[in-house]
Amino acid sequence: EAQVTQNPRYLITVTGKKLTVTCSQNMNHEYMSWYRQDPGLGLRQIYYSMNVEVTDKGDVPEGYKVSRKEKRNFPLILESPSPNQTSLYFCASSLLKGAAAYNSPLHFGNGTRLTVT
Amino acid sequence: EDQVTQSPEALRLQEGESSSLNCSYTVSGLRGLFWYRQDPGKGPEFLFTLYSAGEEKEKERLKATLTKKESFLHITAPKPEDSATYLCAVQFFSGGYNKLIFGAGTRLAVHP
Repeated sequence: EAQVTQNPRYLITVTGKKLTVTCSQNMNHEYMSWYRQDPGLGLRQIYYSMNVEVTDKGDVPEGYKVSRKEKRNFPLILESPSPNQTSLYFCASSLLKGAAAYNSPLHFGNGTRLTVT
Repeated sequence: EDQVTQSPEALRLQEGESSSLNCSYTVSGLRGLFWYRQDPGKGPEFLFTLYSAGEEKEKERLKATLTKKESFLHITAPKPEDSATYLCAVQFFSGGYNKLIFGAGTRLAVHP
């Protein structure tokens, strides 16, 4: 089954304790992205990757890191989490080949609910 | 300022009571407008892409339309299983980059 898999689904941690949220897709998609979803604000992009070893900042990158060493995996790293990073996080991927593929729909994982105390 | 606004924030309908959700946008260089459905505890699921004013797409009880300033998602004779949050997203070209902005969503509840 074609899917984007995130782990863990729920995570409670304390301020300053480094954590990683994993994301894996099995659709051979080139484009992957991380979003956070907060009430009333919609989905906001954190980081994205156009291909292996190619990553770039989205709209709200502060406090986050990513890496793309393999096409299928795109982990999100919080080096020193703070309470304002409490949110619902989604990983997404899409088939991106050439300029015409910018209109490819995103395939989302089922989310990771992070609480930082 | 580039912005996507969805209204209403929440909508309660009786089963069979048709209605429309609105997505208005203030961007230039529109490349496409997406509609997604999001169920509780799940990620958004793609419904439609619209590319130009006048375009319409249909899927079961849902019909999406697009004008130069807004899109509507019409729900005809809804059923309880249509209850979800509906998100729209606008893809546009700005400053040499392709950008995608999501609206905050409309929470739809359909009661039997």
